[in-house]
Amino acid sequence: DAGVTQSPTHLIKTRGQQVTLRCSPKSGHDTVSWYQQALGQGPQFIFQYYEEEERQRGNFPDRFSGHQFPNYSSELNVNALLLGDSALYLCASSAGTLNTGELFFGEGSRLTVL
Amino acid sequence: AQKITQTQPGMFVQEKEAVTLDCTYDTSDQSYGLFWYKQPSSGEMIFLIYQGSYDEQNATEGRYSLNFQKARKSANLVISASQLGDSAMYFCAMRGHTGGFKTIFGAGTRLFVKA
Repeated sequence: DAGVTQSPTHLIKTRGQQVTLRCSPKSGHDTVSWYQQALGQGPQFIFQYYEEEERQRGNFPDRFSGHQFPNYSSELNVNALLLGDSALYLCASSAGTLNTGELFFGEGSRLTVL
Repeated sequence: AQKITQTQPGMFVQEKEAVTLDCTYDTSDQSYGLFWYKQPSSGEMIFLIYQGSYDEQNATEGRYSLNFQKARKSANLVISASQLGDSAMYFCAMRGHTGGFKTIFGAGTRLFVKA
């Protein structure tokens, strides 16, 4: 049973460029959440996708956008990259109801913006 | 607003001893869930243990137990018989009605297990 897979694992971009990160959820999961984790900090919620729609969004600018496909996989897009966007981007999938059901995480995509 | 506070940036423990990682939370919800995750250097977050706000018993999962004190709004993680492989970052997290569908995380505690 494949867990959550993310790609790419590492990437380097320059300021102003655009990046797309990809995530395949754990089998049987229909909900995908994206988190940004800066070095030495806890993960910060970017947004969550369910039934191909953005269900909830955190305090991130519109430069951060996403998509969920019919097979529940998801993409995170970041436009006009800033140095401060350098972080580990974590994808998490779930199938639980509110309050219960843990998140299953991928190993993340480490983005460096130069 | 919901908030998770972990006040221990780093902790040291001797191999085979027990260690407690502190977590306090703030919420106005009556129904919420509390989680602990482990993050090794590889980056992947690994779920350890869950406690529901209405659960009367403290949760246990193998060597992990959660010391849940609802009135004090604390949810400390206890790791018994520490192993070298327990060295990692540990995050306390919460999900509740006020926050919608998102899980929020604390800043984490880095645990070092000494041989």
